[in-house]
Amino acid sequence: QQQVKQSPQSLIVQKGGISIINCAYENTAFDYFPWYQQFPGKGPALLIAIRPDVSEKKEGRFTISFNKSAKQFSLHIMDSQPGDSATYFCAASIDSSYKLIFGSGTRLLVRP
Amino acid sequence: DTAVSQTPKYLVTQMGNDKSIKCEQNLGHDTMYWYKQDSKKFLKIMFSYNNKELIINETVPNRFSPKSPDKAHLNLHINSLELGDSAVYFCASSQGPERSWSYNEQFFGPGTRLTVL
Repeated sequence: QQQVKQSPQSLIVQKGGISIINCAYENTAFDYFPWYQQFPGKGPALLIAIRPDVSEKKEGRFTISFNKSAKQFSLHIMDSQPGDSATYFCAASIDSSYKLIFGSGTRLLVRP
Repeated sequence: DTAVSQTPKYLVTQMGNDKSIKCEQNLGHDTMYWYKQDSKKFLKIMFSYNNKELIINETVPNRFSPKSPDKAHLNLHINSLELGDSAVYFCASSQGPERSWSYNEQFFGPGTRLTVL
């Protein structure tokens, strides 16, 4: 119940295309869903986050879509750029727990 | 103006040795964490401290002992190192729940790559 399942494991997209990464969760008590971006040799950094009271959040080229009934959320990267090539992690937590449960990560490669 | 710093960045050691990794944050955060990232990039929380008190202790061998001398520091000591301890260890910090809705944003350090031979 504490798991967050992420797919695909890896993704190759052409420059200018849309990258889509999906996550699913079981625990309905989760109420905070962030996405983290990690470049090689660096620590993860928060990209964008959403609470379940909204179905979509957009920040620049990055959008989270949230489907509460299906217990799924996804990251969409519009106009993907080579500089977006990184590993992306979805995560979930319950506010009071401090504990982020991470998905298994998606390695994104954007070809020029 | 590094936010979360860790030392050392690389650590190569023999099986059976004892080693420590240090972490410091200058963000004024109340909560600090240790994560382990394995060779498949899977990221798992090990410990969390809030105001120097242990609040999360996942299923981690007791060879791993975190120590928080103050709110800005969280060190990780590992006894009797084993081959399976080889991984990248990340320290992170976040604000406490009293601040804002985004208190859960965790700021990660650059990682310490531990290799046990």
